[in-house]
Amino acid sequence: GENVEQHPSTLSVQEGDSAVIKCTYSDSASNYFPWYKQELGKGPQLIIDIRSNVGEKKDQRIAVTLNKTAKHFSLHITETQPEDSAVYFCAASTQGGSEKLVFGKGTKLTVNP
Amino acid sequence: ETGVTQSPTHLIKTRGQQVTLRCSSQSGHNTVSWYQQALGQGPQFIFQYYREEENGRGNFPPRFSGLQFPNYSSELNVNALELDDSALYLCASSLANRVYGYTFGSGTRLTVV
Repeated sequence: GENVEQHPSTLSVQEGDSAVIKCTYSDSASNYFPWYKQELGKGPQLIIDIRSNVGEKKDQRIAVTLNKTAKHFSLHITETQPEDSAVYFCAASTQGGSEKLVFGKGTKLTVNP
Repeated sequence: ETGVTQSPTHLIKTRGQQVTLRCSSQSGHNTVSWYQQALGQGPQFIFQYYREEENGRGNFPPRFSGLQFPNYSSELNVNALELDDSALYLCASSLANRVYGYTFGSGTRLTVV
């Protein structure tokens, strides 16, 4: 089945710097790759997603890139702010019957003021 | 538009007991998926309910079961609780058994002692 690896597990940056989180997946049939932000005591919140027919997508300070050949995708946050501090999860969709998401183990991002 | 609501927010159960968790889907969504999130890990797919039937299941034993009602709300039942069942249980609603646009609830924190 699908396996998603996420790195790094923790990331600390200074306010205003950029942050990059990387994920790899194993199933070449996966075609949807969302990123979620989870704050303490809350459920995951979708922040950006990309489908396999697109190589890059940007939404203000957040961008995601996808390399289907290498089976990896990355989240880029520019001009980080303290409120960006949270745990970020990447995920890949699987097919075969019902669709479901397979998540990475998460990256705890800390933005220091 | 109402979001996904889960109840209760927290509960403590004793090993061997049974528990029922509840989820109300977002307005307009007809599919509910349940995930288990152990501490420090990404969410893991338990099962999905679509048209009041189980529509896909992850690697969880039969003592994890569920229901979906005509109003699309759902229940997750766990029998014979084990210590390892302690986790945050998340439900996500979506349209037509797809993962696009998953909306997660804030989860139920279950502690088994």
